[in-house]
Order: sequence, then structure tokens, then C-alpha cells
Amino acid sequence: NAGVTQTPKFQVLKTGQSMTLQCAQDMNHEYMSWYRQDPGMGLRLIHYSVGAGITDQGEVPNGYNVSRSTTEDFPLRLLSAAPSQTSVYFCASSGGQGSSSYEQYFGPGTRLTVT
Amino acid sequence: RKEVEQDPGPFNVPEGATVAFNCTYSNSASQSFFWYRQDCRKEPKLLMSVYSSGNEDGRFTAQLNRASQYISLLIRDSKLSDSATYLCVVNRGGAGGTSYGKLTFGQGTILTVHP
Repeated sequence: NAGVTQTPKFQVLKTGQSMTLQCAQDMNHEYMSWYRQDPGMGLRLIHYSVGAGITDQGEVPNGYNVSRSTTEDFPLRLLSAAPSQTSVYFCASSGGQGSSSYEQYFGPGTRLTVT
Repeated sequence: RKEVEQDPGPFNVPEGATVAFNCTYSNSASQSFFWYRQDCRKEPKLLMSVYSSGNEDGRFTAQLNRASQYISLLIRDSKLSDSATYLCVVNRGGAGGTSYGKLTFGQGTILTVHP
């Protein structure tokens, strides 16, 4: 199993550009989440999904869209990049309701800089 | 007040020392508790879950005090390889498991173990 994969690893955008951060997991996990990590702020939840076709907002959803058309994939779209979105983005997945494990498995992260 | 609060440190300890981290959470409805470890520029990884009865995994002991709403992590016989940021994580849970994927992270405590 590859676990949780994210692409790209690094990205530089200009203000106003849009892009999609890709996330995929091969563990058949129901739950997937996107976090951003900023110095001194810890990880903050952007959006999450409890299954294919179901998504919801987290703590800091503004400026981001998500979709979950399959169990495996959970892309995060930046609509119009702003310098405030410069951050490290982590995707995570976990087993889901009924599972004995609440452990979240994280991808390696995408380091995004918006100039 | 932050939902999950940790002393950011840094804690600088010699090899072999015992070090303890505390974390407080504000939501009394929180259901699941974890310690994650994050190495520099890497993704967080689960270190251990925290149970009401306390639990131990080798040199690591985690305890939960629901009445006081705090969680602790004790590391005995510190190794150089224990140097990392330790994240206190809380899952608020919710009706129907809809909050299953929504973890709240503390900002992390930095530990440096020196020779």
C-alpha cells in the first residue's frame, strides 16, 4: 500500500492563480481531511469528507473547494490564490465509523508559496 | 481560548532524562485523545492513543484526566531520536459519527534531546 499520496510536493503560485492539490489513499478509508499548517498555529482543518459524495467545512474553509467523487481521491482546489494561503497542506485519511482505530494517516504534504 | 492548548516549549533535555508534556482541552464533550509526533518538515504520525485508564508503550506513558480536561505524555530515558514536535490531538466526536474525521490539534511542543 502506498498509503496517502499528495501531489505536488512543492508549488509556487502567483496571486489570483488557481490550482488543485491532489490527494489519494489506497486503504479504503471512509474519512479524508485537508489541513493546513502554519508556524505557531498548529494544524487547522480546512475541509473533510465522511464518504464519497459527502463533504463539509472545517475551521478555515474560505478560499478552498473540495469534492469527493470516489473513495480514493479528495482533491483540494484553491480558487484564487492569495499570499495568506502560503502554507504546508496535509491530506489525511482514517478508517471511519465502526472502525476501532481513529488513527489518521497523513500524506507527505504540499508546500505552497503564493507570491 | 484555544480548544487544545500546549506549552510550545522548547524543552531541551539530556539523553536519559524523563520529560513530561501536558495539554488541556476546552470541550468537555471530547471523546478521543491522541499524541502525534511530527519530525521537522515531515507529516504527523500517531504516537499513541490516550485512554482514561492510562496507557503505556515502552518508554512512553499517556494519561487522561477527564475531570480536569488535561492529557499528559511522559517520556522516560529520552533518546536523541525522540527529538521532534509532539502534538496533542482531540476528537470531539458527534452524533452519528459525523465529526469522526475532525481532529483538533494543539500547536505542538518542541522537544530537543541532546547528548
